[in-house]
Amino acid sequence: AQSVTQPDIHITVSEGASLELRCNYSYGATPYLFWYVQSPGQGLQLLLKYFSGDTLVQGIKGFEAEFKRSQSSFNLRKPSVHWSDAAEYFCAVGAHTGGFKTIFGAGTRLFVKA
Amino acid sequence: SAVISQKPSRDICQRGTSLTIQCQVDSQVTMMFWYRQQPGQSLTLIATANQGSEATYESGFVIDKFPISRPNLTFSTLTVSNMSPEDSSIYLCSVEAGRSYEQYFGPGTRLTVT
Repeated sequence: AQSVTQPDIHITVSEGASLELRCNYSYGATPYLFWYVQSPGQGLQLLLKYFSGDTLVQGIKGFEAEFKRSQSSFNLRKPSVHWSDAAEYFCAVGAHTGGFKTIFGAGTRLFVKA
Repeated sequence: SAVISQKPSRDICQRGTSLTIQCQVDSQVTMMFWYRQQPGQSLTLIATANQGSEATYESGFVIDKFPISRPNLTFSTLTVSNMSPEDSSIYLCSVEAGRSYEQYFGPGTRLTVT
């Protein structure tokens, strides 16, 4: 069955420091992979997506993610975190199971300290 | 892209009553989704609603508890019936953006059942 694991429930980084959020997926075929962000009191927004091609994908707000098939991972990175990046981040995998559906990981809450 | 609105944004309801949540999209879309996000949790798909057909429910969700209507390509409703405190959650509507499988989410409806 398809699944997404985000091993870190929460992460704290200093403003200006680099960030990496981990995501591992389980899916039998080539996955559709996504990262979404949910800021306090707001809906979910797509940061970036991977379907095929270049394994390093660029997203909005300076985020990028790298797809590594051998490790079944799709980690999210940002070289320099801003205080406004504090939010909940969800990794998701799209699966064709009797129609297309998106399966979300448990989320990682990012705290940014000054 | 798609802009999605939901009504109400929040509500406090008595147990045993029902609440209907509306989801309006600014463009015609084929697939609409309803999710539940319990406090501090990830998103759980309730059902997929395609215009012109019955909604498809995920395991653990039934039509009697969460009836869904999809009268046209821009609108859907989710009813939470015979509510109990365990139904206290954020309910999110989303749509799929064409063939890219990425989703756009509404701002959510925060439901508290007392």
